[in-house]
Amino acid sequence: DIQMTQSPSTLSASVGDRVTITCRASQSISSWLAWYQQKPGKAPKLLIYKASSLQSGVPSRFSGSGSGTEFTLTISSLQPDDFATYYCQQYNGYPYSFGQGTKLEIK
Amino acid sequence: QVQLVQSGAEVKKPGSSVKVSCKASGDTFSSYAISWVRQAPGQGLEWMGGIKSIFGTADYAQNFQGRVTIITDESTSTVYMELSSLRSEDTAIYYCARDFHYYDSDGNYVVVAFDIWGQGTMVTVSS
Repeated sequence: DIQMTQSPSTLSASVGDRVTITCRASQSISSWLAWYQQKPGKAPKLLIYKASSLQSGVPSRFSGSGSGTEFTLTISSLQPDDFATYYCQQYNGYPYSFGQGTKLEIK
Repeated sequence: QVQLVQSGAEVKKPGSSVKVSCKASGDTFSSYAISWVRQAPGQGLEWMGGIKSIFGTADYAQNFQGRVTIITDESTSTVYMELSSLRSEDTAIYYCARDFHYYDSDGNYVVVAFDIWGQGTMVTVSS
């Protein structure tokens, strides 16, 4: 199975900051990676697919990059609505494993 | 607007089974695959398995092999996930999610994400 490791586990930042979350795969997954945002009590929301494609309706301050084993999610200027937990997920093969999550907190 | 609506919360005894439903509305149900993802309290997300109605096939994560069954009722556009031999560690929110996919140049069904999610179903396993 492919293991997905996110860093950091927790990130404290302020409104307006630029933040980056990293996701590493235990083997190459090409560009088969998605990013999700989850708020307490809610289902995950798709932000990015195929490593860098922005899902329809998602603000352009979110961007994704990377291929192979290392990927990043960047939020260019944090907004109050962005404080949430973020997960990466690989789609290279079954099982479709997730990272452990990164909780983005208000500093 | 496509929606996935799941059945309500369940409380089960250890050793029993639970069956959670996920009803799709607003789109051609059989064109998509549906996966199940669970989240234990305060924990991350775990893919359990999925079913491609158009192909009539289901795939399961090794962690759940032999305990989980995912089936489709196309007449009601509903997918069911049944988990057996429940234990306390199965206490979690169970989500269904629709595959966001395309067909490549060879006609292969390629999944790139989960774009629509159900609201989640809380399953509590307690004696």
